[in-house]
Amino acid sequence: SAVISQKPSRDICQRGTSLTIQCQVDSQVTMMFWYRQQPGQSLTLIATANQGSEATYESGFVIDKFPISRPNLTFSTLTVSNMSPEDSSIYLCSVEGTGGSYNEQFFGPGTRLTVL
Amino acid sequence: SQQGEEDPQALSIQEGENATMNCSYKTSINNLQWYRQNSGRGLVHLILIRSNEREKHSGRLRVTLDTSKKSSSLLITASRAADTASYFCATLKAAGNKLTFGGGTRVLVKP
Repeated sequence: SAVISQKPSRDICQRGTSLTIQCQVDSQVTMMFWYRQQPGQSLTLIATANQGSEATYESGFVIDKFPISRPNLTFSTLTVSNMSPEDSSIYLCSVEGTGGSYNEQFFGPGTRLTVL
Repeated sequence: SQQGEEDPQALSIQEGENATMNCSYKTSINNLQWYRQNSGRGLVHLILIRSNEREKHSGRLRVTLDTSKKSSSLLITASRAADTASYFCATLKAAGNKLTFGGGTRVLVKP
């Protein structure tokens, strides 16, 4: 399994501002995934981030709103830009396991974002 | 309907009872994974069952997979108050690396 940390764990932000969420993994991984979980809902994939290439976004998510960086094999950031109350969600990063955990996905603790 | 639908949406049981929840999906899969989430925190990986497997056990957890019916079930035996959480199934398609999550089942175990 992988140990994943996220910063911040939670934040309260004003409408129109931006927040960058960091995801750190304790091992090198090829792909990192960013998910959104709106209140009372399930998880929806925002994008897949590979090191050295542009992130691949899912339908309904665009780079201008959710820019992603992936500078190395253990780190990624997701920015939520020009926030509105509808962006209030838990944002989670995940990675695919390696070796015996191949195909398993492991999740960070999440960032709980509230937009006022 | 979406890939990975779960039922029931909510389940309330007494401590010591068993809890069963089901997950249905639509497309061919490589594997199906079950997760637990406590109070809106991160997801804890519980168990992965591959498309060529029919049943797996892990402690008090038992997962079955029926690919002909495109369904899976998670059984928690002898439930405890600490099992109170939301449980999600997620499918990995036969060709791909993206998980698709079901709507989840909220389980309340009353002491």
